[in-house]
Amino acid sequence: DTGVSQNPRHKITKRGQNVTFRCDPISEHNRLYWYRQTLGQGPEFLTYFQNEAQLEKSRLLSDRFSAERPKGSFSTLEIQRTEQGDSAMYLCASSFTGGTEAFFGQGTRLTVV
Amino acid sequence: AQTVTQSQPEMSVQEAETVTLSCTYDTSENNYYLFWYKQPPSRQMILVIRQEAYKQQNATENRFSVNFQKAAKSFSLKISDSQLGDTAMYFCAFMPYSGAGSYQLTFGKGTKLSVIP
Repeated sequence: DTGVSQNPRHKITKRGQNVTFRCDPISEHNRLYWYRQTLGQGPEFLTYFQNEAQLEKSRLLSDRFSAERPKGSFSTLEIQRTEQGDSAMYLCASSFTGGTEAFFGQGTRLTVV
Repeated sequence: AQTVTQSQPEMSVQEAETVTLSCTYDTSENNYYLFWYKQPPSRQMILVIRQEAYKQQNATENRFSVNFQKAAKSFSLKISDSQLGDTAMYFCAFMPYSGAGSYQLTFGKGTKLSVIP
């Protein structure tokens, strides 16, 4: 499968714990995006990378959130001290530089209890 | 900032019939792209159709076509000959053309479409 891969698919964590998600983009894609989708809403932009550089972050990305793409390949999104409001689907997407079509992964569903 | 509004939370259509999903948007940008994405129950978002704002001709992709009204900031999706596999959430999305910019998408809240046998 050469699509965007996200792991884990589901994560249940206790409030206050740290969690980390991984995204493996399509290998030829330079750009990688993270979106958050809460119930009944469309995805909301969190951040994006051009290769290994994180070029833009949304105001939604509080200081408890950090994203990395160390070698310009896979990316990780870490949430520290999780809160119930962090419960959502976290979507990763990738695209070519200058490409308008974003290819999405299946997402990681986070539940904070 | 851009906003995208989908006023129909849920819709249903009989198999083989035609359905139109509505979308309006607000922007001060002159150059941009509009998209319809489909999110089946498996949750992976798939691009259905794309429209460049500078093109007057409406985009079509097989059974899917759009009615793009730039002055009215309206972008509706028409699905002809609806099939059971069209059952999904449909999201309208906006992307400004920003040269070397982020190409981030702004999504509407979605329309849940059910195709009834």
